[in-house]
Amino acid sequence: NAGVMQNPRHLVRRRGQEARLRCSPMKGHSHVYWYRQLPEEGLKFMVYLQKENIIDESGMPKERFSAEFPKEGPSILRIQQVVRGDSAAYFCASSPYLQGTGELFFGEGSRLTVL
Amino acid sequence: AQTVTQSQPEMSVQEAETVTLSCTYDTSENNYYLFWYKQPPSRQMILVIRQEAYKQQNATENRFSVNFQKAAKSFSLKISDSQLGDTAMYFCAFMKASLGAQKLVFGQGTRLTINP
Repeated sequence: NAGVMQNPRHLVRRRGQEARLRCSPMKGHSHVYWYRQLPEEGLKFMVYLQKENIIDESGMPKERFSAEFPKEGPSILRIQQVVRGDSAAYFCASSPYLQGTGELFFGEGSRLTVL
Repeated sequence: AQTVTQSQPEMSVQEAETVTLSCTYDTSENNYYLFWYKQPPSRQMILVIRQEAYKQQNATENRFSVNFQKAAKSFSLKISDSQLGDTAMYFCAFMKASLGAQKLVFGQGTRLTINP
């Protein structure tokens, strides 16, 4: 009974390159959330997706960042033309629809380092 | 907008002691959840305890308990008989109760060190 799976765990990119982070939710979960944790800070909400739909992207930077959750396959957070300020840990969380407990299940995070 | 404040950036206690971590929040909502998450050096986010705002009874999970004061908007975490494995960052978090949308607002965190 696998939990939320994120890969890669660590990713190093040079400025200007693209970063792709993947998240497979827990089995049976159709809702995915992405959070970003800057060094020495708490997690900040970025985006909330259901299959094939972006429901709430109020925490996403307007440029260079995008997210998708296709009908088949993992959710992907894409960062184009990365800059040093994008260095952070990116966490994915999932929940089942109408769970009602208010609980999210987190992956182990993907740490992005921009050189 | 909701905010969560943890006023203790760092705390340190001896093993087996009891420690209390503070958290206050600001919201105009009446129905919501409050959480404490633990983040050890592995960086995994681990749910420690959850409290529903409509419940007056304080949540407990083994050595972990909370003091939920709704009127004061305070939600502290007490760790009894602390263990070395409790060493971690602890985050307080708020979530508005809403079907389908479960968006957490986190505090800045408290770094807790348990000394042998």
